[in-house]
Amino acid sequence: DVKVTQSSRYLVKRTGEKVFLECVQDMDHENMFWYRQDPGLGLRLIYFSYDVKMKEKGDIPEGYSVSREKKERFSLILESASTNQTSMYLCASSLTSGSRNEQFFGPGTRLTVL
Amino acid sequence: QKEVEQDPGPLSVPEGAIVSLNCTYSNSAFQYFMWYRQYSRKGPELLMYTYSSGNKEDGRFTAQVDKSSKYISLFIRDSQPSDSATYLCAMSSYNFNKFYFGSGTKLNVKP
Repeated sequence: DVKVTQSSRYLVKRTGEKVFLECVQDMDHENMFWYRQDPGLGLRLIYFSYDVKMKEKGDIPEGYSVSREKKERFSLILESASTNQTSMYLCASSLTSGSRNEQFFGPGTRLTVL
Repeated sequence: QKEVEQDPGPLSVPEGAIVSLNCTYSNSAFQYFMWYRQYSRKGPELLMYTYSSGNKEDGRFTAQVDKSSKYISLFIRDSQPSDSATYLCAMSSYNFNKFYFGSGTKLNVKP
């Protein structure tokens, strides 16, 4: 059974704190993604990674950074959390294009920044 | 113009009804088409996956792709209250690793 796990389901942080969101997949997928999901705005891509130590900016990278030191783990970092980063954060993984090209999602982390 | 357009709903139907959910897209390079179901406060789960044009059936669910019209559909037969969720369409092309999502349609099936 394929699995993408995220370190926390719910997280509450204060403005200015550094926040780490962890994602782990056990499917040996090359690609990993971080999205945020907000009502009325759908899923928006923050960053993605197609290999270890490789990263690409998505549509809304400002205020975020990522780290991929191992193939199975992709971390999202909020350098200095702000209230407008309160959102649902979703991690996903997929095989490289050319194969069956679908994304598998984790359960999400609901982050509240006070 | 967004790459993928999807009516947000909400769509409310009685139990047993046939449900039709749709997305349109603008990029003719898209070849992989997916439908995800997302229950409240959960991550999306893959429901249907199709490659290129045509129909695919899985139980009560049928996915259709019309590449000439840049239009995809998901049909749910004999809808159940447990089908109440937000349905997201998604698509990608052969050469890219990015996926493009619709904003999701919220479906409510009333008992």
